[in-house]
Amino acid sequence: EPEVTQTPSHQVTQMGQEVILRCVPISNHLYFYWYRQILGQKVEFLVSFYNNEISEKSEIFDDQFSVERPDGSNFTLKIRSTKLEDSAMYFCASSGLAGGTRDYHSYNEQFFGPGTRLTVL
Amino acid sequence: DAKTTQPTSMDCAEGRAANLPCNHSTISGNEYVYWYRQIHSQGPQYIIHGLKNNETNEMASLIITEDRKSSTLILPHATLRDTAVYYCIVRVHGSGNTGKLIFGQGTTLQVKP
Repeated sequence: EPEVTQTPSHQVTQMGQEVILRCVPISNHLYFYWYRQILGQKVEFLVSFYNNEISEKSEIFDDQFSVERPDGSNFTLKIRSTKLEDSAMYFCASSGLAGGTRDYHSYNEQFFGPGTRLTVL
Repeated sequence: DAKTTQPTSMDCAEGRAANLPCNHSTISGNEYVYWYRQIHSQGPQYIIHGLKNNETNEMASLIITEDRKSSTLILPHATLRDTAVYYCIVRVHGSGNTGKLIFGQGTTLQVKP
């Protein structure tokens, strides 16, 4: 069964450093997402990405964050200068098979990756 | 998107049906009810969704009241592996919807032997 993969599983970094979290969405999916979950708290939406551009972003997704789909398979989240409060699990998700309308894709079930645990020291 | 209310936690005996309620009294006509679960800090997993008719798949059944103000997720024969946090999410379908999911605190279901 196809699945979303994420690397690394755990990333430790110093405050102020840049990190790049990587995701390989399910092949032929069209919508891509990043969510985060601070320990003990709820899962929070960060950003959605479609047709090589950001569709929507939350208040959390400030200028320190960026996303990119550099090739046909990877989807990355970059945090430019990490802060202590960026420590969290980061989940990538994808949805929407090729074909059909944009609205059809947007409400297909989202498949989540296993997450990357980011620890900022 | 409409707000949902779920009990914080529930217990269920292994092999019995687990019935997880969700209130969404402010749901509007174009909002669907989705259920996801998260097993011990893994990525959330889609379970089922519906608009107004009851739905069933290989994982669960979804019962939506006629007025659509509440719903119940039913796991017919709960196993220990069903221990997880279950999220009820109300979500708009339609033009311009980017598909984001808004998670609440969910219900922690503990299945006991």
